[in-house]
Amino acid sequence: DQQVKQNSPSLSVQEGRISILNCDYTNSMFDYFLWYKKYPAEGPTFLISISSIKDKNEDGRFTVFLNKSAKHLSLHIVPSQPGDSAVYFCAASPPNSGTSYGKLTFGQGTILTVHP
Amino acid sequence: DGGITQSPKYLFRKEGQNVTLSCEQNLNHDAMYWYRQDPGQGLRLIYYSQIVNDFQKGDIAEGYSVSREKKESFPLTVTSAQKNPTAFYLCASSIWNLNTEAFFGQGTRLTVV
Repeated sequence: DQQVKQNSPSLSVQEGRISILNCDYTNSMFDYFLWYKKYPAEGPTFLISISSIKDKNEDGRFTVFLNKSAKHLSLHIVPSQPGDSAVYFCAASPPNSGTSYGKLTFGQGTILTVHP
Repeated sequence: DGGITQSPKYLFRKEGQNVTLSCEQNLNHDAMYWYRQDPGQGLRLIYYSQIVNDFQKGDIAEGYSVSREKKESFPLTVTSAQKNPTAFYLCASSIWNLNTEAFFGQGTRLTVV
């Protein structure tokens, strides 16, 4: 059962416009969410995160929104740049209790292409 | 510079052989993880370790084994029991018991020939 889903396999955006990547989750126990960016044949790099006690977190061009009632989060990139072209993964973590230890559940990823 | 080093970057294995992937970190992180990525899929957790000499199975542990004899090292052995070993393997580490980002290595591409 896919607990974290990214239903859009790909997204194409023009340079300078907004990119919106979406992610849905089913496990209400998740309380910390992260976005990673990944280039082919490389490891993911951390972009931005949000705790479940917040509904928005901003870092430069990147903003993550969390809607707990809808179990939905989104990543906004404004303005989009060609260098943003990569695969974006959302990930979720349950509380650090028991055997959770902060291990992550990832979505399938969305390929973002930003055209010059 | 602090970071996570995975080696080798590319690895070829004959069917039926065991192979060990290396992962070393100098970030002084307590927790380490192994993930697997297949085309069109997200990363799936194989094993993770909170502290030295302790590790737990993740979602897809069958056919894999790990050890954690040192804080800095968390090698993954892909055994002949793993039915579909060809994949991209990623090692990560994080601070234990704190919701913060995990740092990833550059990955090892394993191909069974």
